[in-house]
Amino acid sequence: GQQLNQSPQSMFIQEGEDVSMNCTSSSIFNTWLWYKQDPGEGPVLLIALYKAGELTSNGRLTAQFGITRKDSFLNISASIPSDVGIYFCAGQNNFNKFYFGSGTKLNVKP
Amino acid sequence: NAGVTQTPKFQVLKTGQSMTLQCAQDMNHEYMSWYRQDPGMGLRLIHYSVGAGITDQGEVPNGYNVSRSTTEDFPLRLLSAAPSQTSVYFCASRGGGGTNIQYFGAGTRLSVL
Repeated sequence: GQQLNQSPQSMFIQEGEDVSMNCTSSSIFNTWLWYKQDPGEGPVLLIALYKAGELTSNGRLTAQFGITRKDSFLNISASIPSDVGIYFCAGQNNFNKFYFGSGTKLNVKP
Repeated sequence: NAGVTQTPKFQVLKTGQSMTLQCAQDMNHEYMSWYRQDPGMGLRLIHYSVGAGITDQGEVPNGYNVSRSTTEDFPLRLLSAAPSQTSVYFCASRGGGGTNIQYFGAGTRLSVL
């Protein structure tokens, strides 16, 4: 199946710092999605990207759909303790199938 | 506003037992999917359905069966559980018409001893 490489695997940051994480793929995707998962819960959608080059914000979150359609990044500015969780990227291909990255575990120290 | 409901939340099985994980959505979504989540591997697609009566295999379908007799329900069956099926299982649904947004249930944590 298609592989999504997500990095970093985990991050330990201080409250107030900015965070950046990214996903790369060997194949082209039509849509990139970023999810957050809290412990014991299912993933919740943060941002959806539909066009190459698209830059979209949702509050302190900003994500971009790479020009090559093979990558995407997510930035979180001025992190707060409730940002703690696991962040997943997902890509949707031409066959309407979704593939997920392995996740970035974010820890924020108050 | 229930969204996607999964039951049970937790389950322990012995090797060889069978069980059904339930998933129901109340959003009249066409597409439903089952994923498993294992440490360090993200979510992997097991089976999916594009509408009532239509199902197809995902990345890791072996050992699992599904059916979609109604729009609302998409149960996942383990016919003979194996320790390799210990995982967290998530059901998701999304509407048609080009919508890409999947809504996930809270998950079922399954342990097979």
